[in-house]
Amino acid sequence: QSALTQPASVSGSPGQSIIISCTGSSSDVGGYNYVSWYQHHPGKAPKLMIYDVSNRPSGVSNRFSGSKSGNTASLTISGLQAEDEADYYCSSYTSSSTRVVFGGGTKVTVL
Amino acid sequence: QVQLQESGPGLAKPSETLSLTCTVSGYSISYDYYWGWVRQPPGKGLEWIGTFYHTGTTYYNPSLKSRVTISVDTSKNQFSLKLTSVTAADTAVYYCARAQWGGGYYYYMDVWGKGTTVTVSS
Repeated sequence: QSALTQPASVSGSPGQSIIISCTGSSSDVGGYNYVSWYQHHPGKAPKLMIYDVSNRPSGVSNRFSGSKSGNTASLTISGLQAEDEADYYCSSYTSSSTRVVFGGGTKVTVL
Repeated sequence: QVQLQESGPGLAKPSETLSLTCTVSGYSISYDYYWGWVRQPPGKGLEWIGTFYHTGTTYYNPSLKSRVTISVDTSKNQFSLKLTSVTAADTAVYYCARAQWGGGYYYYMDVWGKGTTVTVSS
């Protein structure tokens, strides 16, 4: 069981916006601004999409945005495109001895 | 362009040691950043294994710490993972990744390899 909770799946039609949630605790998501999000197409290398809650690395589309409220972080994909269909994982620093935690992953389907 | 490539046997026998290598191109692991390993068991989420910095700082997942060693060969710009006493539960896709840490805090992993599948079976 992953330390961070994500919905197993989220779907949307092309052009729509979807939100993926990532719920943790005050020991991780709620306590630090070190939340990151990764896009993973099976068989390929995971790709960093968001770091430090809401920052986008160079080259990542501005259709991807991140935010946080309390113990829940969110990834929003706007203007959904077929190429966005992938698995998405959140990650955070944790003050527990584990130090690094991931969510269980969310499969995004473009209808 | 920084690239990471995992390599190693795709099959390990129970109780034996799993050994993988990550070859880094486009960046010297002796310069900066942290480097480490993450795995994904079939049908499950990602699990952090451990991370090191070239000066010797190392962090391990406590759940694996007694069985894990991450070492580095700066002359080859490679780092390696050894996981001892493996069981079927260690069957997973293993990824190497470059990470950003600071003051003991994990920030993110910005470059990943494509992963290599390791099956533990007799």
